[in-house]
Amino acid sequence: AAGVIQSPRHLIKEKRETATLKCYPIPRHDTVYWYQQGPGQDPQFLISFYEKMQSDKGSIPDRFSAQQFSDYHSELNMSSLELGDSALYFCASSLAGQGSYNEQFFGPGTRLTVL
Amino acid sequence: GNSVTQMEGPVTLSEEAFLTINCTYTATGYPSLFWYVQYPGEGLQLLLKATKADDKGSNKGFEATYRKETTSFHLEKGSVQVSDSAVYFCALRGGAGGFKTIFGAGTRLFVKA
Repeated sequence: AAGVIQSPRHLIKEKRETATLKCYPIPRHDTVYWYQQGPGQDPQFLISFYEKMQSDKGSIPDRFSAQQFSDYHSELNMSSLELGDSALYFCASSLAGQGSYNEQFFGPGTRLTVL
Repeated sequence: GNSVTQMEGPVTLSEEAFLTINCTYTATGYPSLFWYVQYPGEGLQLLLKATKADDKGSNKGFEATYRKETTSFHLEKGSVQVSDSAVYFCALRGGAGGFKTIFGAGTRLFVKA
């Protein structure tokens, strides 16, 4: 079965550079979530989109922005990167309309290293 | 707001020992509860879930029961294997917290041969 695809899998950037992470949800899934997992930390919710509209917002820095496109894929744009942005970034997708019971399928993550 | 608290690790066990990882939650409404496992260098895998009180989730010998009266969702396995070494995250979703997943801090499990 198709899973959530994230690209790139690994990314190395310098401080103050920008980065774009991409997420391709499972076909027919209309909701995308982004999470950030720092070293030794639990994943923290950043932002989510449903039908191309932002549906919820968590602890996402102002330097980050995200959007969902008409094909439901999503991109997380990160500017003025800081050392503390080094983390594993997960994307998850789900099919809305099933309440909290809807399972979120997690992608393999993008490991971002800021030097 | 909603939150999850799980026992701190690391937990070190010998192969075939009994495992319990405690998890309690605070939530408004009726969330669904989950256990995720993360192997070294890998992503998150759903281990099991329970969507309402008294439900028992089970998978690969792991079990957890949704206890509303004690707001708990403890993970258990009768006989662990070396291959179970990983980080385990208790999580919840739903209720008043919306559809985002809220994770506990994670518990690292080491199983020795």
